[in-house]
Amino acid sequence: DAGVIQSPRHEVTEMGQEVTLRCKPISGHDYLFWYRQTMMRGLELLIYFNNNVPIDDSGMPEDRFSAKMPNASFSTLKIQPSEPRDSAVYFCASSPWGYEQYFGPGTRLTVT
Amino acid sequence: SQELEQSPQSLIVQEGKNLTINCTSSKTLYGLYWYKQKYGEGLIFLMMLQKGGEEKSHEKITAKLDEKKQQSSLHITASQPSHAGIYLCGADRSRDDKIIFGKGTRLHILP
Repeated sequence: DAGVIQSPRHEVTEMGQEVTLRCKPISGHDYLFWYRQTMMRGLELLIYFNNNVPIDDSGMPEDRFSAKMPNASFSTLKIQPSEPRDSAVYFCASSPWGYEQYFGPGTRLTVT
Repeated sequence: SQELEQSPQSLIVQEGKNLTINCTSSKTLYGLYWYKQKYGEGLIFLMMLQKGGEEKSHEKITAKLDEKKQQSSLHITASQPSHAGIYLCGADRSRDDKIIFGKGTRLHILP
C-alpha cells in the first residue's frame, strides 16, 4: 500500500483565498483524522471521521474551516477565507481502529 | 497540549549514549502512545502502552507506563544518528478514539 497520500505537499496562498487540502487514506482504514501542527501549539486534532461520518469536530478553529469525507477513499479540509494565522503543517492520518494512526507526509500551508 | 507534558523539550546527546524522554499527564490515561517524527515528515507509530507497569521494547527503544498510568518514559540505549527526530507522546484520556499529543521532544544525536 502507498500509505496515506496528501496533496498538495506545499501550498502558498494570499490571505482571503480559499484553500483545499486533500487526503487519501489507507484502504480499509475506518478512521480518518485531520491535524494541524505549529511550533507554538504542537499537534492539534481538528476533526476525525469514522466510516465517513464526522465524529468530533471540536478542534476545528472556526467556521472558516470545514472538512468532508464523501467516500472511504477521499477527504478534504477547506479553509475559506484563509488567514496568515492558518499557516501550519496539516496532517491527515488514517487508522483501522483509532489509536495506531498512520500519518501522511503533511501539507505545509503558508498564507501571506 | 498542556494537558500532556513532555520533558525535556530538546535533547542533544553523543552517539552511543543512552537517553530518556518523559511524558506526564495530570489525569489517568487509558492508553499511551509513542510516535516519532522525522524533520519535515509525518509521524510514525512506535508503541502503545495500556496497562500500568507495562513495558515494551522495539530494537533499542524501550517505553514504560507507570503503575498509576499517568507517566511514561521512553528510553533509547546506545543512541544512533537514525534515532534523531521528534518524539511525541499521545494519550487516550477518555476512551474515545481521540489522541491528545504532547508538544514533543527534539532529539539530536552528535556523531
